[in-house]
Parts: sequence; C-alpha cells; structure tokens
Amino acid sequence: DTAVSQTPKYLVTQMGNDKSIKCEQNLGHDTMYWYKQDSKKFLKIMFSYNNKELIINETVPNRFSPKSPDKAHLNLHINSLELGDSAVYFCASSQDGLGGNTIYFGEGSWLTVV
Amino acid sequence: AQSVTQLDSQVPVFEEAPVELRCNYSSSVSVYLFWYVQYPNQGLQLLLKYLSGSTLVKGINGFEAEFNKSQTSFHLRKPSVHISDTAEYFCAVITMNSGGYQKVTFGTGTKLQVIP
Repeated sequence: DTAVSQTPKYLVTQMGNDKSIKCEQNLGHDTMYWYKQDSKKFLKIMFSYNNKELIINETVPNRFSPKSPDKAHLNLHINSLELGDSAVYFCASSQDGLGGNTIYFGEGSWLTVV
Repeated sequence: AQSVTQLDSQVPVFEEAPVELRCNYSSSVSVYLFWYVQYPNQGLQLLLKYLSGSTLVKGINGFEAEFNKSQTSFHLRKPSVHISDTAEYFCAVITMNSGGYQKVTFGTGTKLQVIP
C-alpha cells in the first residue's frame, strides 16, 4: 500500500564506496524527486524527473547520478561516498511538475558514511 | 528567487494550549503554499495547502493556516495541541520555473515540543 517506497531505510558504508538507493511510487505520478535532509533538518532538492526526463538538477556533485528506468522509479546512485554525504535522502513524487500539486514523500533513507 | 523563513527553530507549548508556527516567504511571482509535518524517523506528510480562493485553509489533525498576501505570511495554528503533535513542521513555497515546472523551497523547519 505504500505510495512512495524507498530502500534501504538504513545504510552504513565506508568512505569511497559506491551505493544506490532505490525508489518506487505506485501513485501513477509523472514527476519524481530526490531531496537531501542534513543533520539540521534542512531540506534541499537534488533532482526532479518528469516522465523519465530530468527537469531539475540543483548544484549536486557529479558523484550523484539519478536513474529513471520508467516514470514509476527514480534511483539514486552515489559514487565515491564522502563523510559529508551522510544525511537522510527522501524520494518523493507529484502528479506532474506543474504548480500546486502535493508532493508525496517516502519514509527516507538514512545514509551514514564512516 | 524565492525564499521561506521560519523564524522559530523550536516552539515549546503545554498540552491543550494554542500554538502558532510562523512562516514568511519572499517571491516576485505568484506562490502556492504548503505546510508539511515530519514525525521522528519518518517522511514528510502534507498538513494543508493554499492554492487559491479562501485565505483560511484547514488541514488534518485540527490545524489551519491563513494566507496573508500583504504580509507575505502563511502562519500555522492549532487551538489546542496534543502530545501527538510533537514533530517538525516545514513550510514550503512553490512557484513555477522558466521551464514551466514547479520550484519548491522548504523552510528550515520548526520543532514543536508539546509539554504534558
């Protein structure tokens, strides 16, 4: 029943590793997002995809690469993990990318880089 | 450019007392306004939103907010809080970018602590 689901929920990994976080939404939405929430709870958008096409790419290091195999999935791959990448990553979706649509969030993925 | 300011990082309030969480925004274009709630170790859930029409909007769990265009504010209120309202609350502003898609900016959050 989960509308936006992301896995894994918790991930502890060493610096320099490559890891992926998967996201799926079953709401039939056209737009999906990745947000990063830091230790101070500040939420910042990283990427936005509409129908598998990238529409927003904020100033995120190239080590972060989103992949959208279809409009229901938006995975986040992170290369060469750094300590500063430790955060909670939220996947989200909305009906489309147009104004006023509610954004539905996943439960979050807690990434800890040691 | 748009921005959202939540002046209070923490708001302690006694159970059954009223509360107001403040949100001010800045934008040169029309905005849509949202309040989200985040319970510990969970994702964000929509509380309420203002798109157009009546400036007083009611949301879930007894919360309401009023859009004040002249003061560029969208403060969240509840007349009587419960312990279960303890959470982080985020105000968000949405405008349209040049490509016709929505640009979302979140405030820094206000932690509501309800004291028994």
